Amino acid sequence: GESVGLHLPTLSVQEGDNSIINCAYSNSASDYFIWYKQESGKGPQFIIDIRSNMDKRQGQRVTVLLNKTVKHLSLQIAATQPGDSAVYFCAEISAGGTSYGKLTFGQGTILTVHP
Amino acid sequence: EAQVTQNPRYLITVTGKKLTVTCSQNMNHEYMSWYRQDPGLGLRQIYYSMNVEVTDKGDVPEGYKVSRKEKRNFPLILESPSPNQTSLYFCASRPGGTGELFFGEGSRLTVL
Repeated sequence: GESVGLHLPTLSVQEGDNSIINCAYSNSASDYFIWYKQESGKGPQFIIDIRSNMDKRQGQRVTVLLNKTVKHLSLQIAATQPGDSAVYFCAEISAGGTSYGKLTFGQGTILTVHP
Repeated sequence: EAQVTQNPRYLITVTGKKLTVTCSQNMNHEYMSWYRQDPGLGLRQIYYSMNVEVTDKGDVPEGYKVSRKEKRNFPLILESPSPNQTSLYFCASRPGGTGELFFGEGSRLTVL
């Protein structure tokens, strides 16, 4: 498949473990955050999003936590499965004006799940 | 099937030969955008469009042009490609008010 990154942070877990993927963002004006998953050879897929007026949001097997004080975002995956192996990107959108359309991605984290 | 379709998926070209990568979505999304993905640099936004005839620069617009004459199409134009534009390109769309981008399968471009 396509190589999407060199020297990316990596996380290796055993099947069934919980995974936590972290992301630091820099723009304090960002008000909307999203996590994407990218499997080898494919385009990124939306996982979950959170607005800045929330600090936690849960989906199916995934939870996103937002700490605005330290500008940190995390994605927790419960009972990680081999199919969760992928590169995970956080992304941020700034509020207001024309910049609302401007989406900035983090560098990504490679998650490898071992059976 | 709801999808974003890019063409071509793979292209090898030479410096200076104009090319266009097409992008079409069938979800009636207002927002469309282009990204390039390079090893170690992640996904970087090239251009985006909030609606028909409304386009704006992303983080790396130099060397690229776009147009949005119809809602469903958002072509990426490289007027005079250079080797530093060798990359994996993704088109994406989303409905207004959400961050749920729907990505195409990607276009691998090599400029010799």
